[in-house]
Amino acid sequence: AQSVTQPDIHITVSEGASLELRCNYSYGATPYLFWYVQSPGQGLQLLLKYFSGDTLVQGIKGFEAEFKRSQSSFNLRKPSVHWSDAAEYFCAVGRMDSSYKLIFGSGTRLLVRP
Amino acid sequence: EPEVTQTPSHQVTQMGQEVILRCVPISNHLYFYWYRQILGQKVEFLVSFYNNEISEKSEIFDDQFSVERPDGSNFTLKIRSTKLEDSAMYFCASSEAPGSAGGTDTQYFGPGTRLTVL
Repeated sequence: AQSVTQPDIHITVSEGASLELRCNYSYGATPYLFWYVQSPGQGLQLLLKYFSGDTLVQGIKGFEAEFKRSQSSFNLRKPSVHWSDAAEYFCAVGRMDSSYKLIFGSGTRLLVRP
Repeated sequence: EPEVTQTPSHQVTQMGQEVILRCVPISNHLYFYWYRQILGQKVEFLVSFYNNEISEKSEIFDDQFSVERPDGSNFTLKIRSTKLEDSAMYFCASSEAPGSAGGTDTQYFGPGTRLTVL
């Protein structure tokens, strides 16, 4: 069955430190891959996406993600975290088996220490 | 920048009542979606809608749910007889066009409607 796994429920980093949030998917082919961020009480904002081509994609707010086909992973990174990055981050996959729905991971809550 | 809007932001209802959640997708988008997120759980797909009909629905989307595009701008989700377990955040999303490669698949989400069933 198609699935998306975000193994870390919570991550705490210090402001200015680097960040990597993990995402793995289970699907036979390469799906479309997305990262969304949800601030408290807010909706889902698209950070970045991967459809094809260069496996390192740049997004908004200084985020980037790298698609690794061999590991079925699409990890999100940021070199220096800001306090305003504290939020919940969701990995999502789409375009599997001709479906347009997104399947979301369970999310990773990022806490930023001052 | 165009965005998806949703009303109301919070709806409180009694069990058994009907509710209608409203969404205004981005104006040139053709594909519309509803998702829900029960508190502390994953965001789950409910239904997708294209060309005035449902194109896909999940097992959650039973006969109590319906969707409609009553005019050129609104997209609604109706729950006929709400249950306690329908309490969740409901997100509307839209995308440009199905079946096309690349950016047109990107789904843009509204801020959500928090539904509380008492």
